[in-house]
Amino acid sequence: DGGITQSPKYLFRKEGQNVTLSCEQNLNHDAMYWYRQDPGQGLRLIYYSQIVNDFQKGDIAEGYSVSREKKESFPLTVTSAQKNPTAFYLCASSIDRTVGSNYGYTFGSGTRLTVV
Amino acid sequence: EDQVTQSPEALRLQEGESSSLNCSYTVSGLRGLFWYRQDPGKGPEFLFTLYSAGEEKEKERLKATLTKKESFLHITAPKPEDSATYLCAVRGGYQKVTFGTGTKLQVIP
Repeated sequence: DGGITQSPKYLFRKEGQNVTLSCEQNLNHDAMYWYRQDPGQGLRLIYYSQIVNDFQKGDIAEGYSVSREKKESFPLTVTSAQKNPTAFYLCASSIDRTVGSNYGYTFGSGTRLTVV
Repeated sequence: EDQVTQSPEALRLQEGESSSLNCSYTVSGLRGLFWYRQDPGKGPEFLFTLYSAGEEKEKERLKATLTKKESFLHITAPKPEDSATYLCAVRGGYQKVTFGTGTKLQVIP
């Protein structure tokens, strides 16, 4: 079955450490997104990519970086510059390149990152 | 700035007790209103897109409606498996998608 695979499911980060969250999709979707979810807040966009080798900052990009070397993959690195990284991170894709496609997003199962 | 407000924050229903969830929005040029279902520890699952006032869409026990200021997600005769958090989002004229904080629904057998 087609879908989005995020790994790991749980991740623990020490102070000053960079960590990378994996996101792979086999839906042949052009557009991919990273969102952050915190309790009591709506999903917030970190980065998005509408095509291979191109990506754009979202609303809360500071302290994060991404790459899009392959259509199927869109990894997110949480750097030490991100001062409050503890959150639930969601990767999504959409069938067309329009940001916020009206076909809706397909989401992965998320990665819960905790700072220790 | 686009805004989405969902109410109530939490709703507890008996099995079979129908009710509605509300999503109020302000947006510069609505391009689409979305409903998602999210189970604990999982990513959201897409349910519906609504485009214009008066539009309605249905899926099993769920029916979404849209006016110029709000959307309702009506749940008819809910079952325990309908328990989840329901998220509303809007896409405005600047292509930005804004999510609400969700309504946590619990259906008691």
